[in-house]
Amino acid sequence: DVKVTQSSRYLVKRTGEKVFLECVQDMDHENMFWYRQDPGLGLRLIYFSYDVKMKEKGDIPEGYSVSREKKERFSLILESASTNQTSMYLCASSSPLSSYEQYFGPGTRLTVT
Amino acid sequence: AQSVAQPEDQVNVAEGNPLTVKCTYSVSGNPYLFWYVQYPNRGLQFLLKYITGDNLVKGSYGFEAEFNKSQTSFHLKKPSALVSDSALYFCAVREHSSYKLIFGSGTRLLVRP
Repeated sequence: DVKVTQSSRYLVKRTGEKVFLECVQDMDHENMFWYRQDPGLGLRLIYFSYDVKMKEKGDIPEGYSVSREKKERFSLILESASTNQTSMYLCASSSPLSSYEQYFGPGTRLTVT
Repeated sequence: AQSVAQPEDQVNVAEGNPLTVKCTYSVSGNPYLFWYVQYPNRGLQFLLKYITGDNLVKGSYGFEAEFNKSQTSFHLKKPSALVSDSALYFCAVREHSSYKLIFGSGTRLLVRP
């Protein structure tokens, strides 16, 4: 069974802290994605990666960075967390072999206080 | 630019009645179309996809969707709704030359007993 895991389901951080969200997939997928989900705004793409060490900005990259040192792991970094980054964060992966269907992790609900 | 529209924020239906959740898209070339479902505090789960072939696609949990090229629509349907179908539904489109998905804003389905 395919699996995408995220390091935390719930996370509470203080303003100004550096925050790491980890995502791991076991499907050998080339592509990985980070989204944030907010009520009324749907899913918004933050960053994606199509290969190890490769990354591209999505629609809302400001305030975020990413790292992909290994194929199975894609990390989202909030350099200095702010309250407007309180959100649900979703990781996904895909492969051309499955018609780019994305497989999602369970999500991390981040609260920045 | 490619886009996906889900014109209804919420759809209400009685258990046992048929349901339809609407989706229209705008994309160049032949689209890859997807439906996902999200239960509270969970990631997105894949329901079904259209890549090519028969315009009526069958998916998980008794759902199906009809691809209509002339109307650029991909509506999600189920002949008989269950209370457990109550969730948030997302339509997505992948442009043929890209590995990103563009998601609609989501439609909340509420099935009343």
